[in-house]
Amino acid sequence: AQKVTQAQTEISVVEKEDVTLDCVYETRDTTYYLFWYKQPPSGELVFLIRRNSFDEQNEISGRYSWNFQKSTSSFNFTITASQVVDSAVYFCALSGDNQGGKLIFGQGTELSVKP
Amino acid sequence: EAGVAQSPRYKIIEKRQSVAFWCNPISGHATLYWYQQILGQGPKLLIQFQNNGVVDDSQLPKDRFSAERLKGVDSTLKIQPAKLEDSAVYLCASSPRLENAFYTDTQYFGPGTRLTVL
Repeated sequence: AQKVTQAQTEISVVEKEDVTLDCVYETRDTTYYLFWYKQPPSGELVFLIRRNSFDEQNEISGRYSWNFQKSTSSFNFTITASQVVDSAVYFCALSGDNQGGKLIFGQGTELSVKP
Repeated sequence: EAGVAQSPRYKIIEKRQSVAFWCNPISGHATLYWYQQILGQGPKLLIQFQNNGVVDDSQLPKDRFSAERLKGVDSTLKIQPAKLEDSAVYLCASSPRLENAFYTDTQYFGPGTRLTVL
């Protein structure tokens, strides 16, 4: 069975603080893909990053960074110097091999960045 | 490049009524998905099409939900009759390639249709 757990339901920070969103996954597949999506109040899911299970390199994109650790089945997302525009619900998702592209989403973490 | 288009954005109906949602994927995308997102939860896949064929509809409540993707482009999702528990956001997504057992492409989502069943 595949499962994604985002234990943090809500996080509130003040602008310019750093914040880390946790994602823990479960899968028996040897090849799998992990994703992060952002869902602002408008409702559209915005793609942020995609990682395959063979690529454990951490990634940095501007203020965003991702830490993929296979040993702990985690794919955490850090926003540095948060801004009000970062306020949204963030989803971690998993797709294993032989799943034909089906995404299994976590429950989401609602991030509120206050000025 | 235009994104995934969905309509309507909002719909309010009485229980036992019928409703239909429309999705136009990104041009050239082979695979199309419909997800249901209940408030406070992550999206859950309802049905997946590759071109105009169904790949996975294992979580589609087939007694009341139906979907089609004619000519491998636009898709419609219908609920007939609606129940209170169908209140949710219905998201359409598309990905460029045909999915297979060895590769998962990135899915791009539309703005969703928020359905309220009274």
